Amino acid sequence: AQKVTQAQTEISVVEKEDVTLDCVYETRDTTYYLFWYKQPPSGELVFLIRRNSFDEQNEISGRYSWNFQKSTSSFNFTITASQVVDSAVYFCALSELTQGGSEKLVFGKGTKLTVNP
Amino acid sequence: DAGVTQSPTHLIKTRGQHVTLRCSPISGHKSVSWYQQVLGQGPQFIFQYYEKEERGRGNFPDRFSARQFPNYSSELNVNALLLGDSALYLCASSSILTGDSKTHNEQFFGPGTRLTVL
Repeated sequence: AQKVTQAQTEISVVEKEDVTLDCVYETRDTTYYLFWYKQPPSGELVFLIRRNSFDEQNEISGRYSWNFQKSTSSFNFTITASQVVDSAVYFCALSELTQGGSEKLVFGKGTKLTVNP
Repeated sequence: DAGVTQSPTHLIKTRGQHVTLRCSPISGHKSVSWYQQVLGQGPQFIFQYYEKEERGRGNFPDRFSARQFPNYSSELNVNALLLGDSALYLCASSSILTGDSKTHNEQFFGPGTRLTVL
């Protein structure tokens, strides 16, 4: 079965520090998709990125960057020059096909990031 | 355009009661998924509906049921509530059933319904 592990339960940094959130996944599928979501205190999950297993290129979007390494089954997320508004719980997720042909998400337990001023 | 909407925002029930949660997907989206998020955990998949048919079911008891209407909105029903059903229930909509290397199957989540069972 698919599994996502986010070993860091909580991280606390000071504003402007760089921070990396770790994500390790397990899957037997050769084709799969990885995601990162942000969950602010309001509760709504905000989509950040989706990567497929064939594309190992690192991606950068503003202060956010993602490092996908198939060899170590990791999909880590780095925030550069963190800001207080980055404080949230971040979830890594892996897609899994159901018997009905739909695509469900398997989430890790999340990493709570607190950025202090 | 409006995002995924869910109602009610908060709900308090007692053990043994039943509850109905509602979700309206983004306009044009035909797929709705339900997730349960217990405090301190990641969301767990409950159901997915596409074109009014159940296409996926997670490891939840039969007390949980759902349906999708012709306008693609959806209801999640939970019977005989237990204390352990207290959670944030999230609804997600997507435009397609599954993605591929060229097609994004981004799931857009609603704000959730926080259910408290006393």
